[in-house]
Amino acid sequence: AQTVTQSQPEMSVQEAETVTLSCTYDTSESDYYLFWYKQPPSRQMILVIRQEAYKQQNATENRFSVNFQKAAKSFSLKISDSQLGDAAMYFCAYRSGLNNNDMRFGAGTRLTVKP
Amino acid sequence: DSGVTQTPKHLITATGQRVTLRCSPRSGDLSVYWYQQSLDQGLQFLIQYYNGEERAKGNILERFSAQQFPDLHSELNLSSLELGDSALYFCASSVSGGTYTEAFFGQGTRLTVV
Repeated sequence: AQTVTQSQPEMSVQEAETVTLSCTYDTSESDYYLFWYKQPPSRQMILVIRQEAYKQQNATENRFSVNFQKAAKSFSLKISDSQLGDAAMYFCAYRSGLNNNDMRFGAGTRLTVKP
Repeated sequence: DSGVTQTPKHLITATGQRVTLRCSPRSGDLSVYWYQQSLDQGLQFLIQYYNGEERAKGNILERFSAQQFPDLHSELNLSSLELGDSALYFCASSVSGGTYTEAFFGQGTRLTVV
C-alpha cells in the first residue's frame, strides 16, 4: 500500500510570514493525485489544494501553493502571508488513480500562527 | 456543506456494546471511505467501498465491519466496544473520474465509550 509521510509534527509561523509544510510519499504508480487538507479546531476536513501527478505545473490556490517534485516523491505546501485563521492540522493525502481509488493520509502537521 | 452526511453526530455508549455509524455519500459518488481519528492523532484508514464492493482494507479491527448498500449509503458497525475505540469516525466519498478527484468528508461521528 502507498504510504504518506509528514515529518514535521508541529510547525510555527509568525503572522504575515511564509511557512512550508513537508510531505513525501511512496508509490509505484504513475497515475495518482495529491492533496492537502486542513482540519481546524472544528475537526471538519477542508480541501486546501489538489495536484494531479500528470501535471508538471505546481498547483496554486490564492495564498497556498505546492512544490511537487515527482521524481523525488515530494509534495510540500507553502502558505504565504500566514493568517491567524490558518492555524490548524494539515494533512497530506495520496489518492490512487487506479480503479480502487485508494486514499491514504499522512500523520498531520499542527500549524500554529503567532500574532 | 460537503454533501456527505454522517449520523449520528455524537454517540455515547458503554464498553461491550455495539453501535452502527451511517454515511450517505454525495450524490453520484461511488466510493466511500471510513477513517478513524483518535484525539490529536492522524487519520487511520479503515476500509473503502466502491459501488457496493470492498476495495481496500486498512487497519480495521475484526470487531469492526462495514458495508455499502445498493443505494450507496454505507454503515460502519463497531462491536464489543472498548475504551480505546473512542474517536472521531469520518466518512468520505469520491467519484471515479470526472472533475473532482478529491474526497469529500462528512462532519464525523464522535464516539465516546464509557
